[in-house]
Amino acid sequence: AQSVAQPEDQVNVAEGNPLTVKCTYSVSGNPYLFWYVQYPNRGLQFLLKYITGDNLVKGSYGFEAEFNKSQTSFHLKKPSALVSDSALYFCAVRDSSGGSYIPTFGRGTSLIVHP
Amino acid sequence: ETGVTQSPTHLIKTRGQQVTLRCSSQSGHNTVSWYQQALGQGPQFIFQYYREEENGRGNFPPRFSGLQFPNYSSELNVNALELDDSALYLCASSSWGARTNEKLFFGSGTQLSVL
Repeated sequence: AQSVAQPEDQVNVAEGNPLTVKCTYSVSGNPYLFWYVQYPNRGLQFLLKYITGDNLVKGSYGFEAEFNKSQTSFHLKKPSALVSDSALYFCAVRDSSGGSYIPTFGRGTSLIVHP
Repeated sequence: ETGVTQSPTHLIKTRGQQVTLRCSSQSGHNTVSWYQQALGQGPQFIFQYYREEENGRGNFPPRFSGLQFPNYSSELNVNALELDDSALYLCASSSWGARTNEKLFFGSGTQLSVL
């Protein structure tokens, strides 16, 4: 079975400050990990993915995420937040083994960036 | 914009009715999956279609059914609507290949309200 947890319902950060949105996962095999962003009244947009290789993954809009196998985490980060980054962020995981190609999404974290 | 279009954008139905939601995939994509996103929750996988056949299903009852057409567009049908079916329904297209479902392209969704 695969699962993902986003422990924070909401993250508040001031514009210009670094931000972190947390995600932990559980899979039987090796994880494929994803971050998506959802703006109001829109579908989800792909930000970045970790499949294999470097633990630090760079994605769209200046976001990056760090894969930590020992802590089973894949936290989303950005060095300097923008007000326009305010949105709902979803972490997703897919087990690379077992033949399932379907990702499981977390409940989402609302990021609010204050001017 | 992802190139995935869904119709209608909003829909109001009454309990017991039937509904059909439609999705046009992004050009070049041959796989369509449907998700239900209840308020305050992450997307929940309903099912996936590849080459006009269902090849994956989440924990949803048989009254949720679908179709994929030769042009890879898709329909989601829900019979005997219940109040709990009220949600945002998201369609996502992808390209089935060596790294299946690595990246999903989502439409903006259909907001279904069941009264």
